[in-house]
Amino acid sequence: QVQLVQSGAEVKKPGSSVKVSCQASGGTIIGNAINWVRQAPGQGLEWMGGIIPIFDQVNYAESFQDRVTITADESSNTVYMEIISLRSEDTALYYCARGLHSGWNNWLDPWGQGTLVTVSS
Amino acid sequence: DIVMTQSPDSLAVSLGERATINCKSSQNLLHSSTNKNYLVWYQQKPGQPPRVLIYWASTRESGVPDRFSGSGSGTDFTLTISSLQAEDVAVYYCQQYYSTPLTFGQGTKVEIK
Repeated sequence: QVQLVQSGAEVKKPGSSVKVSCQASGGTIIGNAINWVRQAPGQGLEWMGGIIPIFDQVNYAESFQDRVTITADESSNTVYMEIISLRSEDTALYYCARGLHSGWNNWLDPWGQGTLVTVSS
Repeated sequence: DIVMTQSPDSLAVSLGERATINCKSSQNLLHSSTNKNYLVWYQQKPGQPPRVLIYWASTRESGVPDRFSGSGSGTDFTLTISSLQAEDVAVYYCQQYYSTPLTFGQGTKVEIK
């Protein structure tokens, strides 16, 4: 059973960048889409984008494509999500989640535990 | 982008009573080639990531109690909890996976009356 383990909480200054990792155990990530979903405090879920490592294919939501980069390291079964030019509105819980089947048209299961990113001066 | 709209935003139901959550999509989620509705329901409890309850609009995930059921097709979908239990207090989200960007409903908070 694949499990996704994310890196720990981060506190960042406005204008800086953050890179969050998501490592899979119990299985490989390369054939499935690994997606990133943002949840601002007390708010709902927002899909940011994802990557299908085996095809080196990335897909971003329009509102994130200018500041977000998603990459994968197949050797370590890890996917990364970097946000640049952080602002206070980026304070949120960031989840990685695997698409259950190949391709983009999937529900998300499993999910990582979430990484809290706090942007504050 | 496909817009997902849930109703109500919150509801309070007595223990053992029925809870019904609606989800409406701005586009048809029934794919002609598969004859399946590309809609999933998640449950999220405080401090936890979402958990899959129902996929393909009406297929219950393994291990999910049978008091949870999904119905609907096309643009209108419903999640029903037939007899609310204390452990069902959570926020419920629908999500379409017909096309990217994947989009979620705004969530429905279920509480005990």
